[in-house]
Amino acid sequence: EAGVTQFPSHSVIEKGQTVTLRCDPISGHDNLYWYRRVMGKEIKFLLHFVKESKQDESGMPNNRFLAERTGGTYSTLKVQPAELEDSGVYFCASSQDLTSGRVHNEQFFGPGTRLTVL
Amino acid sequence: AQSVTQPDIHITVSEGASLELRCNYSYGATPYLFWYVQSPGQGLQLLLKYFSGDTLVQGIKGFEAEFKRSQSSFNLRKPSVHWSDAAEYFCAVGRNYGGATNKLIFGTGTLLAVQP
Repeated sequence: EAGVTQFPSHSVIEKGQTVTLRCDPISGHDNLYWYRRVMGKEIKFLLHFVKESKQDESGMPNNRFLAERTGGTYSTLKVQPAELEDSGVYFCASSQDLTSGRVHNEQFFGPGTRLTVL
Repeated sequence: AQSVTQPDIHITVSEGASLELRCNYSYGATPYLFWYVQSPGQGLQLLLKYFSGDTLVQGIKGFEAEFKRSQSSFNLRKPSVHWSDAAEYFCAVGRNYGGATNKLIFGTGTLLAVQP
């Protein structure tokens, strides 16, 4: 079974440009999370989807960030316009249904997308 | 506020030596605790987790961790380190959310180097 995949693995853009990151969760996982690690800092939560709905977006830094999960499958995270402080590694994670009684606590992480804004 | 502290940014140990990575947390309720490892070019891999019960938990790759409520700690240990253990290690805490977890709060990570 394939794990969580993310595309691209690296992206280098100039300040003011737009970048879209993609995450494909493990098939059947309803929960999808985005996290970000700025260099030297901790990994920080951005938001959480349950299927196509945003369950918690309390970690989104500002309105330049837009996350979508149309159809409840893959997700995209768009940064528009990108700023220097957006540089970092963006991780995606997925987990199974939290509510069905088939409790599964583990979040499976992808390899991350390294974003560099010049 | 909830937080996780990993006081050691870098640690170097000799192959075959024992290892202990420290993790302290601040959390208002009973936490769910995790240790993840990231090898170069890889995603975060779960080493072990603690939800309840026995405070000494066993994980993959020979790792174990002990939950000490009185010290708000969840230190990771391994009796004999292998060169392949060189990686970055992250401690994380999650909310006790009806038996499962929601978002994770991470520490800043500890980068482990292993000397031959």
